[in-house]
Parts: sequence; structure tokens; C-alpha cells
Amino acid sequence: NAGVTQTPKFRVLKTGQSMTLLCAQDMNHEYMYWYRQDPGMGLRLIHYSVGEGTTAKGEVPDGYNVSRLKKQNFLLGLESAAPSQTSVYFCASSYSRGTRLFQPQHFGDGTRLSIL
Amino acid sequence: QQQVKQSPQSLIVQKGGIPIINCAYENTAFDYFPWYQQFPGKGPALLIAIRPDVSEKKEGRFTISFNKSAKQFSLHIMDSQPGDSATYFCAASIGDNAGNMLTFGGGTRLMVKP
Repeated sequence: NAGVTQTPKFRVLKTGQSMTLLCAQDMNHEYMYWYRQDPGMGLRLIHYSVGEGTTAKGEVPDGYNVSRLKKQNFLLGLESAAPSQTSVYFCASSYSRGTRLFQPQHFGDGTRLSIL
Repeated sequence: QQQVKQSPQSLIVQKGGIPIINCAYENTAFDYFPWYQQFPGKGPALLIAIRPDVSEKKEGRFTISFNKSAKQFSLHIMDSQPGDSATYFCAASIGDNAGNMLTFGGGTRLMVKP
């Protein structure tokens, strides 16, 4: 099993350009998440999805859009890239909690994005 | 506003030493406290997690100590090895209809010297 796969791994954009980051998971997880990682700030949640066709805002959603048309895929879009969006982006997925106290999130290896 | 504060930001120890990473939280609604380990170029991976009604949990050389009244928890790495060099994130979880929502600390970059 591949787990969580993110594409592309690296990308350089110019200010104002648009792009889509793709996340795919093969673990049949219901929940999927997009984070950004910046030095000293840990990982901050951008958007998440609790199931196919549903999305919700996280802590830092401005400037991003997401879609989850298929259970296994979660797309993150930047409509008009800004230098402040230079970051490392991580996708994660997990099972629903159900009756358990905790279900761990499984992370991809990230997309390193630079906005010039 | 960072709801989970982590310290130190970086830590260097000699092989065999016991690095300690501390975290403090504010929201008493958090109901699970995982630690993630991240190697360069990789995504974070779950290392160990603890419930708030448990004061200590050990898994191999990794131990979490939890102080509910102080709203603090820490990670100890016994007999540290160069292969433990990584960035460590503490996190706090709120479970609701959206699953386990994680709030991460800022991370600690650990270097274990041979």
C-alpha cells in the first residue's frame, strides 16, 4: 500500500499563478486534511473533509479552495498564488473516530511550494 | 494564537542522553495528546499518544509524562541515538463529528550527536 501520496513534490510559481495540489490515499479513510507547515509554527490546518463531497474550513483557509469529488482524493487549489503561501503542504487522512477516543492521522511526504 | 506551546525549539544531546521536550495547552476540551516524529523530507508519523486520565505512557525508549492539573505534557527519549535526530511535534486532539482535529505545537528539532 502506498498510504498517502502527494503530487507534485516540488513546485515554483510566480505571484498570481494558480495551481492544484493532489492528495490520494488508498486506506479507505473517511477523513482527509490539508495542512501547511512553516518554521516555528508547527502544522496548521487549512481545510478538511469528513467524506466525499463535503469540505470545511480549518484554521487558515484564506486563499485556498478544496474539493473532494472521490473518497480517495482531496485537492487543494491556489487560485492566485501569493508569496505568503510559500510553505510545505501536507495532506493527511484518517478513519472516523467512531467509538474510539483517537484515530491517528497518516501524512504524505509533502509538497514544497515556493511563490516568487 | 497557538493553543499548544512547545519548547525548546531546538535541542542537541549526546548519544545516550535523555532529551526532554515540553508542551503546554490551554483548552481543557482536548481529549488526546499524540506526539509525531518527522524526518527531513518526510511527513510526520505518529510516535506515541496518551489519554488525559493517564499520567505516564511508555513505548520502547519513548515516554510521555502527563500533568492534567498543570495542563502540561512532555516527551522523554531514553538512551537517545543518532537515528532519533528528527523534528518532534506535540499535538492535542479534540474529537467531534469531524474526527480527530489536531492542534500542533511549533516543533522541536532534535539532534543526537554520536
